[in-house]
Formats: sequence, C-alpha cells, structure tokens
Amino acid sequence: DSGVTQTPKHLITATGQRVTLRCSPRSGDLSVYWYQQSLDQGLQFLIQYYNGEERAKGNILERFSAQQFPDLHSELNLSSLELGDSALYFCASSAPGLGYNEQFFGPGTRLTVL
Amino acid sequence: DAKTTQPTSMDCAEGRAANLPCNHSTISGNEYVYWYRQIHSQGPQYIIHGLKNNETNEMASLIITEDRKSSTLILPHATLRDTAVYYCIVRDTKTGANNLFFGTGTRLTVIP
Repeated sequence: DSGVTQTPKHLITATGQRVTLRCSPRSGDLSVYWYQQSLDQGLQFLIQYYNGEERAKGNILERFSAQQFPDLHSELNLSSLELGDSALYFCASSAPGLGYNEQFFGPGTRLTVL
Repeated sequence: DAKTTQPTSMDCAEGRAANLPCNHSTISGNEYVYWYRQIHSQGPQYIIHGLKNNETNEMASLIITEDRKSSTLILPHATLRDTAVYYCIVRDTKTGANNLFFGTGTRLTVIP
C-alpha cells in the first residue's frame, strides 16, 4: 500500500459525458501527479500540482482539467469523453524538498467509455 | 530528457539474478537514472536511482557504466512476484518538475 488513494476504482460512462477522478496523496506530500495509461500510448504524464499550484504540464488534452485543493487532495476532470479516453488513470504523490523525490503511485482508476 | 532503450522482454529463472540493461547514450551530466516497475496494471513502484556511482537497496542494485551511457538493474534473487514491466527513466531533477517520462520498458517474466 503506497498511501495514495484513488476513487473510484472503476468508472463506466458514455461518450460525451463528464467524470471526476479523485486522488488523496500520502500524508505530508505536497506534489500530486496525474498519469494516463492506455494500451496504445503507454504511461503518459498529464499534469503536476505542488501545494495547490500547477507545476508542470504534459500531454493533457484541453477537455481535461485538474486542480489541487487546500487539503492537498486533487481531482482530474475529464469532459466530452471519447472512446479513446478509456484508460487507467494513475495519481502519484511525492514529498516536498529539493531535488528528486520518489513518486508513490495510487492503485489507479480504470475508466471505460462506451 | 535523454531517451532510453530497453529490451522489450526478458525471462529469468526463479532464484537466479535478473539483469535488466538500459541504454541512455545521450544522458547529460545532470541527469539521474531511475528505475520503476509496474506489476500487472498496478501503480508503478519506485525501485532505485543513481547518478554516477553504483547503488544498492533492499530491492535491487544499480550498476552505471563509467561513461554513464548505460546501466543495469540487478534483482539478485528473482522471485515470481518480480514478474513485471521495468522502466528505466533518465531525468534532470534540476528542472524543478519531477514528472516522469515512461518508455515501453522491459517485460520481465520470472519462470518457476
């Protein structure tokens, strides 16, 4: 158990819909990262937040948005869903501090768009 | 960030050492080498990282060549639970952002 929690575990929805994925980082971690893993694209970095502010952006679509709240939990919002958005979405967190801090990944949310 | 090249798949007998190579010939002086693994659709798990010197922890050893253009992750006594995809990642931590760029990795299968 990494200490990172993600809800829901599974999500099935239809094209055109909007969903929200939730992530709670490990206690004390200030950084939250979102990754998408699909069969054809592998693990792709989407976005990083640090203490409530956006720190880095990867291959995140404009239909997707994220935020980190004062209690440090984060939400990833996916809208106008397409079949190709079906994937595993992982959240990770890391401790504050200079240099590299290992990332602890949650169990993921499996999104299926029908 | 430097690109890495790993074999697509490898097999290893249970109880034997698993040696997973990674080529990162374009690595720069500030870039570290990290290894993560992912066991069947679970969240990736950090294994080890290093800059120049060889590193060892309770999970594995990391051997980095003197010119830093390649490295090898060693699992000293592979078990069936080590069957996973292993990712070698090169990252410059001084950019301030610690996001990881995963390649295709090496699928290690530990055989009984």
